[in-house]
Amino acid sequence: ETGVTQSPTHLIKTRGQQVTLRCSSQSGHNTVSWYQQALGQGPQFIFQYYREEENGRGNFPPRFSGLQFPNYSSELNVNALELDDSALYLCASSFGGSSSYNEQFFGPGTRLTVL
Amino acid sequence: QKEVEQNSGPLSVPEGAIASLNCTYSDRGSQSFFWYRQYSGKSPELIMFIYSNGDKEDGRFTAQLNKASQYVSLLIRDSQPSDSATYLCAVRNYGGATNKLIFGTGTLLAVQP
Repeated sequence: ETGVTQSPTHLIKTRGQQVTLRCSSQSGHNTVSWYQQALGQGPQFIFQYYREEENGRGNFPPRFSGLQFPNYSSELNVNALELDDSALYLCASSFGGSSSYNEQFFGPGTRLTVL
Repeated sequence: QKEVEQNSGPLSVPEGAIASLNCTYSDRGSQSFFWYRQYSGKSPELIMFIYSNGDKEDGRFTAQLNKASQYVSLLIRDSQPSDSATYLCAVRNYGGATNKLIFGTGTLLAVQP
């Protein structure tokens, strides 16, 4: 167990809907990164939050957005869901933002299915 | 060319043998390298990380890094059926605003009892 929690575990939505996924980082960690893992692929970086600010973004459209709260927990919001958004969404917790060599620890993930 | 490449497998080894998992990366500026294990339906679990050329050992696991060849490997000694999983290689570059991990697609390892 990494101490990183995510909710919900599973979610089913329809095209065009909006979804919010939540992540609580490990105690002592101030950085949260979000990844999307499609079936049979490696995780793809969505964005990272450090001290409540977005600290880098991957090749995902603006309908993917996020927040980090003062307690370092985080949300991932996806608007106008598409079928291709069906994936395992992973939150990774670490310490130190972009300057750190510290490793990232993953939560259990949220399985999103878009119908 | 993909940034991080792995053979998708499956790599099948008998119980007790050495499993060798390989990974190549394209960016010579890459500075740190990670191996994650992922069981089916679960999230990735960090096994090892390595920053310097050479070998790093942790129990039955040895990570090997050769920056000149842009190659990183993971050796699993005395493989057990419980080692059967997908092994993800991840690379982290520094510079810019983020320390994102770039993953390969993973190698499926099957340890036969």
